[in-house]
Amino acid sequence: QVQLQESGPGLVKPSETLSLTCSVSGGSIRGYYWSWIRQSAVEGLEWIGRIYSHGATSYNPSLKSRVVLSIDTSNNQFSLQLSSVTAADTAVYFCARESLGELLLNYFDLWGHGTLVTVSS
Amino acid sequence: QSALTQEASVSGSPGQSITMSCTGTSSDFVSYNRVSWFQQHPGKAPKVIIYEVTKRPSGVSNRFSGSKSGNTASLTISGLQAEDEADYYCCSYAGSGFSYVFGSGTKVTV
Repeated sequence: QVQLQESGPGLVKPSETLSLTCSVSGGSIRGYYWSWIRQSAVEGLEWIGRIYSHGATSYNPSLKSRVVLSIDTSNNQFSLQLSSVTAADTAVYFCARESLGELLLNYFDLWGHGTLVTVSS
Repeated sequence: QSALTQEASVSGSPGQSITMSCTGTSSDFVSYNRVSWFQQHPGKAPKVIIYEVTKRPSGVSNRFSGSKSGNTASLTISGLQAEDEADYYCCSYAGSGFSYVFGSGTKVTV
């Protein structure tokens, strides 16, 4: 069964870049959209962006200027970089897979456990 | 983009039915069937329970049902059970470029 696992530093200093990786096990990364979603007490759930296995990306307009997503199909993993972080970026970060429903609309069918990232000096 | 609006909390007794709503602006619901619902227990990742407004993934109890009317989507839990106590979030397409937006979440107490 397919599983997702986030990894990366749990503490990032203000103004630096947050970097996380999501490793996909038990299945191929190819043929799917892969998203990053974060959750904080203040903002709730917030979609950050997504990347297709071929590399095409879409980003949340509110974060677009600071986000870069990349994908490594040979190692079955994809990554998030969020630059110029502030305390407001402190959140649990989830990676998630999108699958197609019967109406060919995407939905998040599989999530990682999430990883807490704290922005603090 | 604004979050979708949900009730902060809904409560019910075991065996009862409850319904919660998810209201967005017309631009949030541009793709009328792109509404999904997630259940989240404390410390856990969200789990999809409804997608494409009304569909249930394999393994999800048929006590969960979804519907939509105009700019409001609804999730009903029938035969409420203690294990249903959790936070519930709706999600839809934001319509500007391509973007998802989540609801503010509803805490269900049994």
